[in-house]
Amino acid sequence: GENVEQHPSTLSVQEGDSAVIKCTYSDSASNYFPWYKQELGKGPQLIIDIRSNVGEKKDQRIAVTLNKTAKHFSLHITETQPEDSAVYFCAANLNTGFQKLVFGTGTRLLVSP
Amino acid sequence: IAGITQAPTSQILAAGRRMTLRCTQDMRHNAMYWYRQDLGLGLRLIHYSNTAGTTGKGEVPDGYSVSRANTDDFPLTLASAVPSQTSVYFCASSAAGTHTEAFFGQGTRLTVV
Repeated sequence: GENVEQHPSTLSVQEGDSAVIKCTYSDSASNYFPWYKQELGKGPQLIIDIRSNVGEKKDQRIAVTLNKTAKHFSLHITETQPEDSAVYFCAANLNTGFQKLVFGTGTRLLVSP
Repeated sequence: IAGITQAPTSQILAAGRRMTLRCTQDMRHNAMYWYRQDLGLGLRLIHYSNTAGTTGKGEVPDGYSVSRANTDDFPLTLASAVPSQTSVYFCASSAAGTHTEAFFGQGTRLTVV
């Protein structure tokens, strides 16, 4: 089955710096890779996703890159702000014909003013 | 729009007791999921349902059961709770398809003592 590894487990940056979170997956059949942000006391919320036919996708300060050959994908946050502080999860789908995700173990991002 | 609602928000439960966690969505999503979140382990799928009347086992199904009598409700039952089931439980739903956003509830924090 699919296995998703995520690094680092914690990341501390200064406001305005960039943050990068990396994930690897094992199942070459996976073709959908979402990223979720979880704020304290809340459920995860989708912030960006990428499909396997695309190498990069951007949405304002966040971007995701995908390397299918190496089976890894990364989340990039530029010009970080204190409100970016949260736990971020990557995920990969199991290509079962409907949505079924395997999540990474999460990265706690702390942005200091 | 409520989205997806879980109840209770938190619960302390004696070992051996039966407990049902409730989940209701108003988005008419076909698919629903139950995850547990544990520190260092991320989100792990317990059970899922891709349409009313059908359910399936996820990564960690033992000790849990689900039912899907209608589109909106997807309760999770612990028949006889054990301390290892202490966790935060998240219900989620998504529209049909393999690349659709999963919407999460706010979670239920369960402590089994």
